Amino acid sequence: QKEVEQNSGPLSVPEGAIASLNCTYSDRGSQSFFWYRQYSGKSPELIMSIYSNGDKEDGRFTAQLNKASQYVSLLIRDSQPSDSATYLCAVFAAGSASKIIFGSGTRLSIRP
Amino acid sequence: GAVVSQHPSRVICKSGTSVKIECRSLDFQATTMFWYRQFPKKSLMLMATSNEGSKATYEQGVEKDKFLINHASLTLSTLTVTSAHPEDSSFYICSARDMSGRDPNEQFFGPGTRLTVL
Repeated sequence: QKEVEQNSGPLSVPEGAIASLNCTYSDRGSQSFFWYRQYSGKSPELIMSIYSNGDKEDGRFTAQLNKASQYVSLLIRDSQPSDSATYLCAVFAAGSASKIIFGSGTRLSIRP
Repeated sequence: GAVVSQHPSRVICKSGTSVKIECRSLDFQATTMFWYRQFPKKSLMLMATSNEGSKATYEQGVEKDKFLINHASLTLSTLTVTSAHPEDSSFYICSARDMSGRDPNEQFFGPGTRLTVL
């Protein structure tokens, strides 16, 4: 079982709709959770971090964390073509020798 | 936010030569930096963890004599790809953690270096 799992996609969402990206993780001791956005040919960019159960909102982005179910999600409201990218879920776990574990990413495509 | 730079952004070299890539934290000190490699349409692969003042920790399957890492200061780590071959052509990305930032576990990425070995 992979430590951080994401659906590879592509996930196609119409412009203006809500895009929902999901991620599950295996280590119950995980402490910090991150969402990165990566455009083709570019390096990842941190867009959200979340540490406690519940929702965290930042502009059009909402991160949701449920530690009991071991999943973290990212909602993008009012999706724009510029949101088309690969979204990487990342988890920092106490037992991971002090490193972040990345999922393989979900490709999101916003269609006009 | 924390800024990480990489140099060069793009390099083309002949097979058999060595290539050095620099990773710098511009506005913070980074005791730990990370080196990743990414092939087209593939996910990030962690190669090694670079620790200031000590030896790097390499991931399984990564040759330490092939990919030399030096972390000589709190703001600079270098990756040298020795005797590069075409199969080493890839996108190399470094990241760093700001231990004095709001979350010392957050990693900030450099812009990456695209290596092409002819």
